Amino acid sequence: EVQLVQSGADMKKPGDSLKISCKGAGYNFPSYWIVWVRLMPGKGLEWMGCIHPGNSQTKYSPSLQGQITITADKSISTAYLQFNSLKASDTAIYYCARGKRVVTIDAFDLWGQGTMVTVSS
Amino acid sequence: DIQLTQSPSSLAASVGDRVTITCQASHDINNYLNWYQQKPGEAPRLLIYDASNLERGVPSRFSGSGSGTDFTFIISSLQPEDIATYYCQHYINYSFTFGPGTRLEIE
Repeated sequence: EVQLVQSGADMKKPGDSLKISCKGAGYNFPSYWIVWVRLMPGKGLEWMGCIHPGNSQTKYSPSLQGQITITADKSISTAYLQFNSLKASDTAIYYCARGKRVVTIDAFDLWGQGTMVTVSS
Repeated sequence: DIQLTQSPSSLAASVGDRVTITCQASHDINNYLNWYQQKPGEAPRLLIYDASNLERGVPSRFSGSGSGTDFTFIISSLQPEDIATYYCQHYINYSFTFGPGTRLEIE
């Protein structure tokens, strides 16, 4: 089955670090971009950044540059979203998704189930 | 930066109704626009890509049109399972922007 499976929900304190995983299955993982999108409470969807697992090329939203790190290990078909110092405002549901096309990334056609992250003291 | 506005922000309609949602871009974005559906508690789902192309497996009651700055998303006959928030999304040069969303409820 073609799918993206994310790591489970997590609760952290402000200042903690966190690494969320997204494992692809059923398709050629290195060939398709992976994006990270978040849904904050009471807000809409926000694109955070993306990575091409085949060559590790990454792009970040300017508003989040320096606050997050996106990596991938193509040998185990897994992408990661890392926070070095969480804030309460990072409380959200985090989704990974796959780019629809091999050559570039425009639409996101396969989504993980989401990872709920709660940051609270 | 491209800004996307959606109208309405929320609406309630009856089963069988034709539902129209619009997405307006602050600048000409050609047809670089997608539409997603997000049901409560679920991940988003791609419905329409490149403004008017129906994603595989998506019911034909969903459609999209437009180019430039003005885009339209239509549900031709609303079904109970269409309760969701709908987002337009623009893409260009590895930068992505979502609209604020339209929350659709059944009357």
